Amino acid sequence: DAGVIQSPRHEVTEMGQEVTLRCKPISGHNSLFWYRQTMMRGLELLIYFNNNVPIDDSGMPEDRFSAKMPNASFSTLKIQPSEPRDSAVYFCASSPGHLNTEAFFGQGTRLTVV
Amino acid sequence: DQQVKQNSPSLSVQEGRISILNCDYTNSMFDYFLWYKKYPAEGPTFLISISSIKDKNEDGRFTVFLNKSAKHLSLHIVPSQPGDSAVYFCAASDRGTGNQFYFGTGTSLTVIP
Repeated sequence: DAGVIQSPRHEVTEMGQEVTLRCKPISGHNSLFWYRQTMMRGLELLIYFNNNVPIDDSGMPEDRFSAKMPNASFSTLKIQPSEPRDSAVYFCASSPGHLNTEAFFGQGTRLTVV
Repeated sequence: DQQVKQNSPSLSVQEGRISILNCDYTNSMFDYFLWYKKYPAEGPTFLISISSIKDKNEDGRFTVFLNKSAKHLSLHIVPSQPGDSAVYFCAASDRGTGNQFYFGTGTSLTVIP
């Protein structure tokens, strides 16, 4: 398996533009997570899906952020409109969903909003 | 509010010596704990885990210790090697409420040859 695949690897956009980050989880994994890495907060959980259903979105910073998982093999994280403070590395991770199993991370998308 | 805390942003250790990375948590319902290692421009990779029914788990040079009463865990690396230089994240999960993992802010370990 190729692991968790994220695209793009790097994104530079202007303030006010819409940004869409994409993730393909590992086949057969039931849980999917979006994280944001910043110096101040480390790896911050934004949203967690189980069997394509959002279970916990309490970490989504504000209404400008939205995430979808239309099927078991694809998820998106959208920011609209984007702001400079959204600049960070965004990670997608997936897990088999069983207890005592770890999450597997993608390589991340480095977002820069100018 | 940060439920998992790593209070040391960085640590430097001589090659061959022991590295000790610390982590504290506030949620007493957490019952599964993990350590991840992250190299620059890569995603975090799983290193070792421990369930709350144990107080120690060992895997080669890596040992994780859990002190539930103090809500504290630590990762010991011995002997430390230059290739261990990376950022280490502590994570915790309350398996009763779901499968989500909460991470700390990370500790950057430098092993000096």
